[in-house]
Amino acid sequence: EAGVAQSPRYKIIEKRQSVAFWCNPISGHATLYWYQQILGQGPKLLIQFQNNGVVDDSQLPKDRFSAERLKGVDSTLKIQPAKLEDSAVYLCASSPAGPGGTDTQYFGPGTRLTVL
Amino acid sequence: AQSVAQPEDQVNVAEGNPLTVKCTYSVSGNPYLFWYVQYPNRGLQFLLKYITGDNLVKGSYGFEAEFNKSQTSFHLKKPSALVSDSALYFCAVRDGTGRRALTFGSGTRLQVQP
Repeated sequence: EAGVAQSPRYKIIEKRQSVAFWCNPISGHATLYWYQQILGQGPKLLIQFQNNGVVDDSQLPKDRFSAERLKGVDSTLKIQPAKLEDSAVYLCASSPAGPGGTDTQYFGPGTRLTVL
Repeated sequence: AQSVAQPEDQVNVAEGNPLTVKCTYSVSGNPYLFWYVQYPNRGLQFLLKYITGDNLVKGSYGFEAEFNKSQTSFHLKKPSALVSDSALYFCAVRDGTGRRALTFGSGTRLQVQP
């Protein structure tokens, strides 16, 4: 079974530029998550999708971050404009959406973003 | 609000010795608890989870974790450490009331010396 795919693996941009990350979840997984992992910290949820609807985006900085999952499969996370503090690893995860939140989340390899 | 504390930034252990990586949590209602491992330049890999039932949970690569409700802890253990176990370990919690996002601890780096 193929895992969660993410691209690109690495990205370096100047501050105020824009950047986009792509994620393809495990086939059949209804729930998709984007996390931000700053160096030395644990991952922090940015946004959660159930199929193509947003379940939780309370920690997404909506003035600069946006995400979509138009067909309920793959997803794109965009930052525009980027700030120095956005330097982090952006992790995508998916889960089968079992009952009551007991299902396991499976993570992709992440995209390491460096903002100069 | 839910939270996780991993009190040790790093744990050092000799190969062949038992290891423990500590985790305590705070959550409303029943907790769902997870351990993940992260190797350099790779995503998080699932090790094990506690949902309900037996307090001792067995997972991948010989790891196990013990759920202690009174101490609100979920420590990760392995009877005999391997050098290849050296990695970053994250504990995570999710409440059982419906919000399904995970809250992660800050991570513990495990260093196993040959």
